[in-house]
Formats: sequence, structure tokens, C-alpha cells
Amino acid sequence: GENVEQHPSTLSVQEGDSAVIKCTYSDSASNYFPWYKQELGKGPQLIIDIRSNVGEKKDQRIAVTLNKTAKHFSLHITETQPEDSAVYFCAATYGSSNTGKLIFGQGTTLQVKP
Amino acid sequence: GAVVSQHPSWVICKSGTSVKIECRSLDFQATTMFWYRQFPKQSLMLMATSNEGSKATYEQGVEKDKFLINHASLTLSTLTVTSAHPEDSSFYICSARVVAGGPYVLTFGAGSRLTVL
Repeated sequence: GENVEQHPSTLSVQEGDSAVIKCTYSDSASNYFPWYKQELGKGPQLIIDIRSNVGEKKDQRIAVTLNKTAKHFSLHITETQPEDSAVYFCAATYGSSNTGKLIFGQGTTLQVKP
Repeated sequence: GAVVSQHPSWVICKSGTSVKIECRSLDFQATTMFWYRQFPKQSLMLMATSNEGSKATYEQGVEKDKFLINHASLTLSTLTVTSAHPEDSSFYICSARVVAGGPYVLTFGAGSRLTVL
């Protein structure tokens, strides 16, 4: 079946450093790729997303890149802060975004050390 | 921004009882909502798609008689875990499509933690 692979599973960085999380997807029809941040005991919060007609998107310290040919997309966080510590999930649509269904990656636990 | 509210945020019940979890879109109408299940330190697994006014669509391997979904209005979907057992203990999260004149986004609720004794 369709799946999304996410790496690394854990990531520890020093405050101020950059963090990069990578995902690959299998469904060539996927056209919407959101990233979520989940804090302990809470629901996922959308932090950034990208659609298949765009190669890169940036929002302050967060950026996402998409390579449709290679079927992979990445999250880049610059100037990390302790409050960035959380679990991050990438996701991709099952086929086109019309269904609204998402497949999630396995998650990356990011720890930012002060 | 669009807000999805879940209630209760946590619930403890005895084995064999049924538990209902509500998912509400507070400031928008949601014709489609999604229910996910998350085990500790694991990813979110889609359980079913809840469609307003029609039957829910369940993912493969999800027992529809076990997890009853009702989407009776444009702002409310409910998930009822029937005859709950300890293995049903999990974090249940709903999400709703927000369509605002352009490509949609999905907004998630805060989740409901179910513990079955």
C-alpha cells in the first residue's frame, strides 16, 4: 500500500542550530504535503504545507522543499529554539487532495538543547 | 483561525462499556471529518472518513461495528467505541477540512485519550 517514510526518528540539536527532517512518499498522485508539530498529549498542529505545483515554501524560520520527481520533501528549521522541541510529522495525501485523506510519516522527536 | 474541539479530552471506562467522543468545528462548517488513532510514541493511523449526512467510510482493518461514527450536522461528528476493551485504549484525534475559497487545509482537534480498565 501507499506509505510515507520519515527520517530521522530522533534528532537532537543545540539551540541556534538548524534541523532537517526528510520524508519520502510512494503515491505519485499525492499533491499536498503538510507538516505537523505535536506536543505531548495534544493534537497535531499544522506548521507549514506545500502543494505539488511549488518546489519550496518558507515561513520565517521554517521552510519546506518538495522534489516531485524523487518523491521526497523536507522540513528545515533554522535558528532552533527550545520551544521547537516536539514530535514532527510529515504527511501526504492518498492520491489527490480531493479526498482529504492523509498518510502520516512515523514522526521525528526533535530535542533542542539550550 | 479554524478551530476543532474534541470532548472529552480524556476518559476512563470499564471494560464492556461504550464511550462517545465528540468532534466539533467551532467556527466553520465541515462536511468531511476524519478520525485517527494514535498509540504511544507512534504515528497517526486513519480510521475512517466521516461524511455529513451519509455513512462513514472505514479504512481497511477498522471494525465499523466497533467504532460507530455519526456525522449528523455540519459541525459535529461523533465516534462511539462500543463494548470497549483494554486494547481499545488509545489517543483518538479528529480532523476537519477547512475550505476557505482556495485549497483546503486540515485542522486537528486536541485529541481524546481513552483508557479502558
